[in-house]
Amino acid sequence: GAGVSQSPSNKVTEKGKDVELRCDPISGHTALYWYRQRLGQGLEFLIYFQGNSAPDKSGLPSDRFSAERTGESVSTLTIQRTQQEDSAVYLCASSLDLGVTGGKLFFGSGTQLSVL
Amino acid sequence: AQTVTQSQPEMSVQEAETVTLSCTYDTSESDYYLFWYKQPPSRQMILVIRQEAYKQQNATENRFSVNFQKAAKSFSLKISDSQLGDAAMYFCAYRSAGGGSNYKLTFGKGTLLTVNP
Repeated sequence: GAGVSQSPSNKVTEKGKDVELRCDPISGHTALYWYRQRLGQGLEFLIYFQGNSAPDKSGLPSDRFSAERTGESVSTLTIQRTQQEDSAVYLCASSLDLGVTGGKLFFGSGTQLSVL
Repeated sequence: AQTVTQSQPEMSVQEAETVTLSCTYDTSESDYYLFWYKQPPSRQMILVIRQEAYKQQNATENRFSVNFQKAAKSFSLKISDSQLGDAAMYFCAYRSAGGGSNYKLTFGKGTLLTVNP
């Protein structure tokens, strides 16, 4: 596709429910990142993928958070038993690779998650 | 761990004037990349400019330029001839060039830039 696509753009859920957030990276981009942005805050790293592998999961806040990527394409971030503190914008980004160009990330417009 | 600090939560500038956004970082590495990203109200982050630490020459992109002071660990963004479309949140970011598993970008908390007509 032309850019990074995230769905849904907005998600309202009840505390305790599970949610799945989807990211479609730019075609051909091997690296994919997930970040969380709480209101008025900077970007908090969650996880990145190189291909289908996730070398760095250090940013996942708890075992309620998981992510997977299939076919070097779509990625899904799953949050189980959502809590109110999970409310945030979840941003996905992709890049051509992790090498010299790897810092040039292309971002989606994010998913605004609201946990009631 | 690397940290990125943006000490100006908000800045404002008159249209057509120049504004400088500040960023400092902390690292023990000698080779790395620094970035400025812009986030308009649409939420979609856009890369503004990129600097490689091994290059002494400051990066420029049209009206955007940086002042990279490696010894001081400072990386400021200068926007010349400010336009209304420059109004956004600006984030400074750091990434190691050392490889391994350290490919994540570390972001500052951002500076909200307002452009007054």
